[in-house]
Amino acid sequence: EADIYQTPRYLVIGTGKKITLECSQTMGHDKMYWYQQDPGMELHLIHYSYGVNSTEKGDLSSESTVSRIRTEHFPLTLESARPSHTSQYLCASSDLGVYGYTFGSGTRLTVV
Amino acid sequence: EDQVTQSPEALRLQEGESSSLNCSYTVSGLRGLFWYRQDPGKGPEFLFTLYSAGEEKEKERLKATLTKKESFLHITAPKPEDSATYLCAVQASHDYKLSFGAGTTVTVRA
Repeated sequence: EADIYQTPRYLVIGTGKKITLECSQTMGHDKMYWYQQDPGMELHLIHYSYGVNSTEKGDLSSESTVSRIRTEHFPLTLESARPSHTSQYLCASSDLGVYGYTFGSGTRLTVV
Repeated sequence: EDQVTQSPEALRLQEGESSSLNCSYTVSGLRGLFWYRQDPGKGPEFLFTLYSAGEEKEKERLKATLTKKESFLHITAPKPEDSATYLCAVQASHDYKLSFGAGTTVTVRA
């Protein structure tokens, strides 16, 4: 059973609203990631963290921001949502083990 | 920059009709190549990790192989429940990030 949780699973929100997508993991992994995935497209890394108080931008430019105050928690925030932010957002965590990443179930965001 | 290309984009199979998916990659020093399965509306689920050329891993009807330039995911006698998108990803030896391909969507008809 997956030990990484994302909330909400689905979110429909109006343009200009501030939103926070939650991601928590109970595995004690020090590395966490946010990916963006559009239908039929590959996953694009937008943010990652290798430990508390350490965050980096990924390969895909994003207007979102992240924080890592606790090992288990890696929330993603959009200060002002726009229709171009409509996508699926996947959170993942990893250690140096053989499983690569463990993914959450994702948040499907629709901005209207 | 690490690159991963998967082919075909989509594969429609009859139940019991075996086939293979391809993942071609370029990476500056391979730490590992990963295969994931993704069902609609869900996050990817781990299948295999391959570390060096010549390595093979098996799980039920799936078998993954690795060469220095590509990996294959062989599906033997597939069943409808094998229908999913299969993702390939590489991890470079100098980093922990995964670079993903766009995936192959497999549909198995009964």
